[in-house]
Amino acid sequence: SQTIHQWPATLVQPVGSPLSLECTVEGTSNPNLYWYRQAAGRGLQLLFYSVGIGQISSEVPQNLSASRPQDRQFILSSKKLLLSDSGFYLCAWRPGSSYNSPLHFGNGTRLTVT
Amino acid sequence: GDSVTQMEGPVTLSEEAFLTINCTYTATGYPSLFWYVQYPGEGLQLLLKATKADDKGSNKGFEATYRKETTSFHLEKGSVQVSDSAVYFCALNDYKLSFGAGTTVTVRA
Repeated sequence: SQTIHQWPATLVQPVGSPLSLECTVEGTSNPNLYWYRQAAGRGLQLLFYSVGIGQISSEVPQNLSASRPQDRQFILSSKKLLLSDSGFYLCAWRPGSSYNSPLHFGNGTRLTVT
Repeated sequence: GDSVTQMEGPVTLSEEAFLTINCTYTATGYPSLFWYVQYPGEGLQLLLKATKADDKGSNKGFEATYRKETTSFHLEKGSVQVSDSAVYFCALNDYKLSFGAGTTVTVRA
């Protein structure tokens, strides 16, 4: 069966420090991968999605970037964190062959920028 | 573009009460529709789905029917429990999945 792993679970970082969040999927090939952010008390905002290695689409211009160095690995990064980057970051995947499939989410990373 | 409008919360209920969360959508085609649930501190879990008009999705006592004529996908449960306390998201499927703002539900014993 397929599983998605996201780490770390929680992170506290100072303003101006770098960020790297990692997400990996097991048990499937060529998934579509997604990064969402959920600010406190708010809905989900799509940040990036990827349909293949090295292919990244950005939905919202901001202080973050994403990379997909391997088929089942998706990384969210920042060179210098801002206070406004605080939030709950969720990675998700679905089969690359079907846009009617639901997304499957990881357990999220709670990021607090101080 | 495609979008979802979801009933705002928070919603507070007593155990065994009836729950309805309204969701309407705007779409150019006939997307699949989903309800997700998020328990405190966790990621989102798929609760139920419907892929075409008049489909009824159901799971854990929750139901939602895909109504093309009213462009709606309202979530219902006849008798809620304390363990149903969570945030519920309606979502519409296109290339990315568009989510509603989420509705926080609290069930009191």
